[in-house]
Amino acid sequence: KNEVEQSPQNLTAQEGEFITINCSYSVGISALHWLQQHPGGGIVSLFMLSSGKKKHGRLIATINIQEKHSSLHITASHPRDSAVYICAVAAQGGSEKLVFGKGTKLTVNP
Amino acid sequence: DTGVSQDPRHKITKRGQNVTFRCDPISEHNRLYWYRQTLGQGPEFLTYFQNEAQLEKSRLLSDRFSAERPKGSFSTLEIQRTEQGDSAMYLCASSKYGGRVPGELFFGEGSRLTVL
Repeated sequence: KNEVEQSPQNLTAQEGEFITINCSYSVGISALHWLQQHPGGGIVSLFMLSSGKKKHGRLIATINIQEKHSSLHITASHPRDSAVYICAVAAQGGSEKLVFGKGTKLTVNP
Repeated sequence: DTGVSQDPRHKITKRGQNVTFRCDPISEHNRLYWYRQTLGQGPEFLTYFQNEAQLEKSRLLSDRFSAERPKGSFSTLEIQRTEQGDSAMYLCASSKYGGRVPGELFFGEGSRLTVL
């Protein structure tokens, strides 16, 4: 079993829909990251969370430390949101090295 | 600040050749990480540095792989005697480690290696 599990693996939505991507993890963490990866490889950090909730524009990320679960929400989705969204956890212990989920491929159709 | 830069962006090589990738982190960042990503998978940790010290290496990093960060600034990742299984995207990331609070992570665009 992977230490970080994401669901769904693939998600297709119509423009304007509300989107939720889920992430569950099994290890103790110092922080959880939500990342966005476009074709071609570049990764952009969207959020870094250690508790609660963060919001940036149409993106919202929440984390429940007790349940070891996080969600990424996108409101009013747009075709430019199409990308792979990756959940990654920073291990406890000081290294902050990331353990990544396999990613969720999101396609938003106009 | 130009962010994290990686060079080259693409490298095609023949099996058995040596390749070297370079990563220039954000200037004030003391931590630098290397990850490898194969098609359809999430990235996997390879190694990381705090300043010039290499603090951890993954078991994925065989004897053919070596990484350095000689002056605590840029880093190089060298793969000797490349194999087809080394074909992947090699990602570099940097952060400013402050001790108690996790540092925000910034990624480079990656260096894609194809071994023929």
